[in-house]
Amino acid sequence: QSVLTQPPSVSGAPGQRVTISCTGSSSNIGAGYDVHWYQQLPGTAPKLLIYGNSNRPSGVPDRFSGSKSGTSASLAITGLQAEDEADYYCQSYDSSLSGSRVVFGGGTKLTVL
Amino acid sequence: EVQLVETGGGLIQPGGSLRLSCAASGFTVSSNYMSWVRQAPGKGLEWVSVIYSGGSTYYADSVKGRFTISRDNSKNTLYLQMNSLRAEDTAVYYCARDGITGTTWAFDIWGQGTMVTVSS
Repeated sequence: QSVLTQPPSVSGAPGQRVTISCTGSSSNIGAGYDVHWYQQLPGTAPKLLIYGNSNRPSGVPDRFSGSKSGTSASLAITGLQAEDEADYYCQSYDSSLSGSRVVFGGGTKLTVL
Repeated sequence: EVQLVETGGGLIQPGGSLRLSCAASGFTVSSNYMSWVRQAPGKGLEWVSVIYSGGSTYYADSVKGRFTISRDNSKNTLYLQMNSLRAEDTAVYYCARDGITGTTWAFDIWGQGTMVTVSS
């Protein structure tokens, strides 16, 4: 079971807007640690999509946006395109009495209908 | 070009050892926090280990005491020595750079991955 919880799947038609949630706790997102998002196309390495909760690396379309509030974060994709079909992962840092570590969400498979 | 290239994966019997390498180009490994992240077949991402620019190392509980991360500054290469391998270590192993200024643990550069299969 992942420390960060994501829905297993989401779907949307081309042109639509979808959101992917990432729920954490007071030891990770709620503690103020940044959330990052990755896109993983089939058979390829993950690619950084959003860093520092809401920032896009150079080359990432502005159709992708991120936000964070309390113990949760979300990724929004507007103007859905066929090439957006991929797995999406949120990631943060967790620090508790049992130790500190980088943590990922379980991943969300986006299907473009 | 900034890139990471992993090598060293393969089929290994339970209890065996394997060393993965991650050669960097376009930047200096020792100036960055460098991590290993793995992905079991059909599963999600799992952080494995990090080496800080200062040389400190940290591990996920699942590999602590069995895996060792290191680097060779002269070769600009990151390593992961994996001992006492178990079936549950079967995964694609990625090396990744934590290279975004102003935040931490954002992996901006990833290698292509190398597959490790632990099976008899």
